[in-house]
Amino acid sequence: AAGVIQSPRHLIKEKRETATLKCYPIPRHDTVYWYQQGPGQDPQFLISFYEKMQSDKGSIPDRFSAQQFSDYHSELNMSSLELGDSALYFCASSETGGTSYEQYFGPGTRLTVT
Amino acid sequence: AQSVSQHNHHVILSEAASLELGCNYSYGGTVNLFWYVQYPGQHLQLLLKYFSGDPLVKGIKGFEAEFIKSKFSFNLRKPSVQWSDTAEYFCAVNAGGTSYGKLTFGQGTILTVHP
Repeated sequence: AAGVIQSPRHLIKEKRETATLKCYPIPRHDTVYWYQQGPGQDPQFLISFYEKMQSDKGSIPDRFSAQQFSDYHSELNMSSLELGDSALYFCASSETGGTSYEQYFGPGTRLTVT
Repeated sequence: AQSVSQHNHHVILSEAASLELGCNYSYGGTVNLFWYVQYPGQHLQLLLKYFSGDPLVKGIKGFEAEFIKSKFSFNLRKPSVQWSDTAEYFCAVNAGGTSYGKLTFGQGTILTVHP
């Protein structure tokens, strides 16, 4: 079965650089979520999109922005990177109106800021 | 805002021992409840979920959980653990009973199973 695809899987950036993370949801899934998991931490919700519109917002820094495109893939743009942004970034997708209320997670992008 | 609390940060068991991981949430309305497992270096995988009906839910790999509404709890259980169950376990809540709501995770419980 198709799963959530994230790219790149690993990314190394320097402080003050920018990074773009991509997420391709499971086909027919119309909702995308972004989570940040710091070392030894639980995943923290950043932002979500439903039908290309922002549906909810969590603890996302102003330096980050995201959008969902017409093909439902999403991109998380991160600017002025800081050492504290080093984390695993998960994308999840779900089918709104489905009965399972389940979010399917991708493998994550491990961002290291040096 | 909803919050999730997992009772134990690290649990160490021997194979064949029984497991119970505690999870409590704070939210007064309708909730959907989940347990996810994260094996070392891997992504989150769903073990089981509750959204309505029978409060005792069964998941994959022999795991089950019981939703006790009066106690705001959703504890995870397994009668006999295996070495391969070594992983980190996260309880999560989706408040509001919607299918498109964010998940709030607990702090996670690291389970180490010795052969």
